[in-house]
Amino acid sequence: QQPVQSPQAVILREGEDAVINCSSSKALYSVHWYRQKHGEAPVFLMILLKGGEQKGHEKISASFNEKKQQSSLYLTASQLSYSGTYFCGTEPIPGTYKYIFGTGTRLKVLA
Amino acid sequence: DTGVSQDPRHKITKRGQNVTFRCDPISEHNRLYWYRQTLGQGPEFLTYFQNEAQLEKSRLLSDRFSAERPKGSFSTLEIQRTEQGDSAMYLCALTGDYGYTFGSGTRLTVV
Repeated sequence: QQPVQSPQAVILREGEDAVINCSSSKALYSVHWYRQKHGEAPVFLMILLKGGEQKGHEKISASFNEKKQQSSLYLTASQLSYSGTYFCGTEPIPGTYKYIFGTGTRLKVLA
Repeated sequence: DTGVSQDPRHKITKRGQNVTFRCDPISEHNRLYWYRQTLGQGPEFLTYFQNEAQLEKSRLLSDRFSAERPKGSFSTLEIQRTEQGDSAMYLCALTGDYGYTFGSGTRLTVV
């Protein structure tokens, strides 16, 4: 039931782009994306809702394909601060706000 | 200021001892969630509260685990007779317009 993320790890140079994918075997009603730095709690990046509405407060974009039960996070012109582990979180039962987090993608941005 | 405070930040305990963690939302929140995160993995759902009512418990929570939210504000998570497998980061989370706000977590090490 845990969403599978790909790639597992990625290394970038500053300014390069990256795409992180999240695939679920269950129907998706909403998807969260989080970034976690070592030793810290996950920090919310973006929520995608069924129907295409997106909410976020960082300049990171994402897509949500309900039919394919997939979401992708797009990081453009990466900065050193983008380094961390990215998790998607899916809500199997809408309205519970109970999320199942994905397998994680470790991203490292080099100068 | 993350909106939710957790105490202690770190706890080292001997196997077999009992431990208690506390989660304090800074402002009123109806729903409060507990997650557990082991190294390299995404957070795993443990339990959640709607006000003072505990609405769901994960199968991950054995009988040694108990959680309370007596007045619908702060919450405690107790682990009795700790085992080495309990070593993890225990995260408290609140829901808002922008996904979860996680506390800084309590890192438990059972030796």
